[in-house]
Amino acid sequence: AQSVTQLGSHVSVSEGALVLLRCNYSSSVPPYLFWYVQYPNQGLQLLLKYTSAATLVKGINGFEAEFKKSETSFHLTKPSAHMSDAAEYFCAVSSSGGSYIPTFGRGTSLIVHP
Amino acid sequence: KAGVTQTPRYLIKTRGQQVTLSCSPISGHRSVSWYQQTPGQGLQFLFEYFSETQRNKGNFPGRFSGRQFSNSRSEMNVSTLELGDSALYLCASSLAETQYFGPGTRLLVL
Repeated sequence: AQSVTQLGSHVSVSEGALVLLRCNYSSSVPPYLFWYVQYPNQGLQLLLKYTSAATLVKGINGFEAEFKKSETSFHLTKPSAHMSDAAEYFCAVSSSGGSYIPTFGRGTSLIVHP
Repeated sequence: KAGVTQTPRYLIKTRGQQVTLSCSPISGHRSVSWYQQTPGQGLQFLFEYFSETQRNKGNFPGRFSGRQFSNSRSEMNVSTLELGDSALYLCASSLAETQYFGPGTRLLVL
């Protein structure tokens, strides 16, 4: 069984400030971990993924995430927020054995203030 | 490569009708999954098709069905629509562990 918890349904930051979106997972087997972004009335776009290579993963748009097995976490960060980063962010986990169907978190809405 | 495409993008139906949504995966991807997204329930997995066979199924009633064709294109059908079926329906295709999503079909049931 696998599950994902995203802490905070809404995160508000000022433009230029650090973005930190939290994700904790549980998985009985080594996981694959993903962050997706969704803009209004659009599908989910892959930001980055962890597939058991480097624990620090760099993605698109300046985002990165670090896999910490001991903390079962995969938090998403960006050093400096832009107004265009305002969107819904989803963390997801899937298993390395058998079907890859991911389990998604409930999402975190990132609000960026000028 | 072209991304995942979904048609139609928007749809309005009335209760009791049925609807068919279409999804064309990324070329070479054989797995197609469908999700329902609503504000209250978030992203919920409907089913996955691989090589024309349903490989995984979520916890939805039998009114929700799907199929996949030999070219990997997939359709999902919802019969006897209910107001609660109003949602964004997302299709995702994959080659392995990573799913790539289409823009979704916004269904409104009146």
